[in-house]
Amino acid sequence: GAVVSQHPSRVICKSGTSVKIECRSLDFQATTMFWYRQFPKQSLMLMATSNEGSKATYEQGVEKDKFLINHASLTLSTLTVTSAHPEDSSFYICSARDRGTGELFFGEGSRLTVL
Amino acid sequence: LAKTTQPISMDSYEGQEVNITCSHNNIATNDYITWYQQFPSQGPRFIIQGYKTKVTNEVASLFIPADRKSSTLSLPRVSLSDTAVYYCLVGPKSTSGTYKYIFGTGTRLKVLA
Repeated sequence: GAVVSQHPSRVICKSGTSVKIECRSLDFQATTMFWYRQFPKQSLMLMATSNEGSKATYEQGVEKDKFLINHASLTLSTLTVTSAHPEDSSFYICSARDRGTGELFFGEGSRLTVL
Repeated sequence: LAKTTQPISMDSYEGQEVNITCSHNNIATNDYITWYQQFPSQGPRFIIQGYKTKVTNEVASLFIPADRKSSTLSLPRVSLSDTAVYYCLVGPKSTSGTYKYIFGTGTRLKVLA
């Protein structure tokens, strides 16, 4: 079946540094990818929607300058957490919508820990 | 955007059938209903998808009444490994457009020995 790969699966960084998380659709093209954040024992919260070749659309309360999203190709979207702080520590999950079928597939998630 | 409502948690015993219901009163005509399973520190995993009536696969069944305002995920003979959070997600299988997939609270299922 279709696979969405996220990398890295875990990352630990120091406060003030930037971290990039990649989301790739391995066997399909994705015109739209979604980024979610999940805190312990909570549901997935949509952060932003990215469309290939255009600017991402951010949900209310999500700082676009802090969470930079780039969707440069039909198979890759990246989320960069800039100047990370401990409160940015969370589980980040991407999903990708198949360009051909409209089906939605999720990545394995990336756990960010900011010290 | 179809909002979903599920019970926050459920307990069951091994070998029992578990039914989890999701309410989605404002579901749109072209929306599908998809159920996902999530284990800690993993992304949601697809379980089953349906549009109306009943759908069955090797792991679950999905029952959708005629008005489509709710759906029920049925897990036959659960085991300890089925302990997870289950989410229903409503939305179109659109290849374009700006639809956003919003998760509800999910149902935390705990299977007891």
